[in-house]
Amino acid sequence: QSALTQPASVSGSPGQSITISCAGTTSDVGRYDLVSWFQQYPGKAPKLIIFEVIKRPSGVSDRFSGSKSGNTASLTISGLQTEDEADYYCCSYAGTSRYVLFGGGTKLTVL
Amino acid sequence: QEHLLESGGGLVKPGGSLRLSCGVSGFSMRGYFMDWIRQAPGKGLEWISYISKTGSTIYYADSVKGRFTISRDNAKNSLYLQMDSLRVDDTAVYYCVRENEFGGNMDSWGQGTLVTVSS
Repeated sequence: QSALTQPASVSGSPGQSITISCAGTTSDVGRYDLVSWFQQYPGKAPKLIIFEVIKRPSGVSDRFSGSKSGNTASLTISGLQTEDEADYYCCSYAGTSRYVLFGGGTKLTVL
Repeated sequence: QEHLLESGGGLVKPGGSLRLSCGVSGFSMRGYFMDWIRQAPGKGLEWISYISKTGSTIYYADSVKGRFTISRDNAKNSLYLQMDSLRVDDTAVYYCVRENEFGGNMDSWGQGTLVTVSS
């Protein structure tokens, strides 16, 4: 069981918007504005797409956005494209004892 | 363009040891925190170890504490992971990861090296 809870799968049609949730606790997601999101294609290394809850690295599409409310962070992908079909992982800083925690990952299917 | 390249993976018997290396190029490693993160086959990501820019601060996940040792050589732009007392559940792809800011801003990843622990 992963430390952060994500839905196992989500799906959407091209052009639609989807949101992936990442539930943590008051010791991690709720305590620090240090939530990241990663996109991973099969057989490839993960790629950072959101950091510090809402920031996007240079080169990442503005269709990707992050937010947080209480102990739950969210990743929203708007204007879904077939190339967005991948696995998505959230990650949160959790203090020096555990450092960072990952969610179990969410498989996005673009129908 | 930053580049991280892991090496040293392979097949090892339970109880054995392996040393992973990660060479970086395109940036000076001394300016960054570094981590090792692993992914078991068909599973999610698991952070296992962090090392500060000078190596003075190190953290481990409970799953590897006491068995794995992270280290770095900034002069050689290299990161290492010494893995001892390996177990079957250590089987995974191990990623070398650059951390741009403390606390999980992991902005550059290697392609990973597969470690298989099996008798």
